[in-house]
Amino acid sequence: DAGVTQSPTHLIKTRGQQVTLRCSPKSGHDTVSWYQQALGQGPQFIFQYYEEEERQRGNFPDRFSGHQFPNYSSELNVNALLLGDSALYLCASSSQGFNEKLFFGSGTQLSVL
Amino acid sequence: DQQVKQNSPSLSVQEGRISILNCDYTNSMFDYFLWYKKYPAEGPTFLISISSIKDKNEDGRFTVFLNKSAKHLSLHIVPSQPGDSAVYFCAASESRSGANNLFFGTGTRLTVIP
Repeated sequence: DAGVTQSPTHLIKTRGQQVTLRCSPKSGHDTVSWYQQALGQGPQFIFQYYEEEERQRGNFPDRFSGHQFPNYSSELNVNALLLGDSALYLCASSSQGFNEKLFFGSGTQLSVL
Repeated sequence: DQQVKQNSPSLSVQEGRISILNCDYTNSMFDYFLWYKKYPAEGPTFLISISSIKDKNEDGRFTVFLNKSAKHLSLHIVPSQPGDSAVYFCAASESRSGANNLFFGTGTRLTVIP
């Protein structure tokens, strides 16, 4: 049973560029959430997708956008990259319903130079 | 504003002894709490959770205690094993609002010394 898979594992970009990160949820899960973990911090919620729509959003600017596909996989797009966007980006999946524990992928380490 | 706080960045414990990790929160609307464990180069892994209607939940060597009046929870690991060495994150959510996004603390690095 494949867990949550993310690609790529590492990425280096320069300021002003755009980046797309990808996530495949755990088998049987239909909800995907994205988190940003800066160095020395806990993960921070970016947004959540269900039924191909953004359901909830954290305190992140519009430069952060996403998409969910019919097969439940998801993309996170970040435009106009800033140095402060350097972080580990974690994807988490769950089934619909409250208090569902999240299953996390290993993350994509993004470095912005 | 950090709504979930873990004030101890690190903790070292001898193998076989008890590890106690602490977490405080400020948002009284939080009603579901979780602990995640994270090894290097891996994503966080769910460990144990507790609903606000309970004050204790136990799963094998792991027990979580919730003190709602103090807005405090703790994770007890007994006995501690070297394989427990990892970063532990406390997380909280406000399920009554229909949201299940998690608010995480900054983590506590536990080192279990053989």
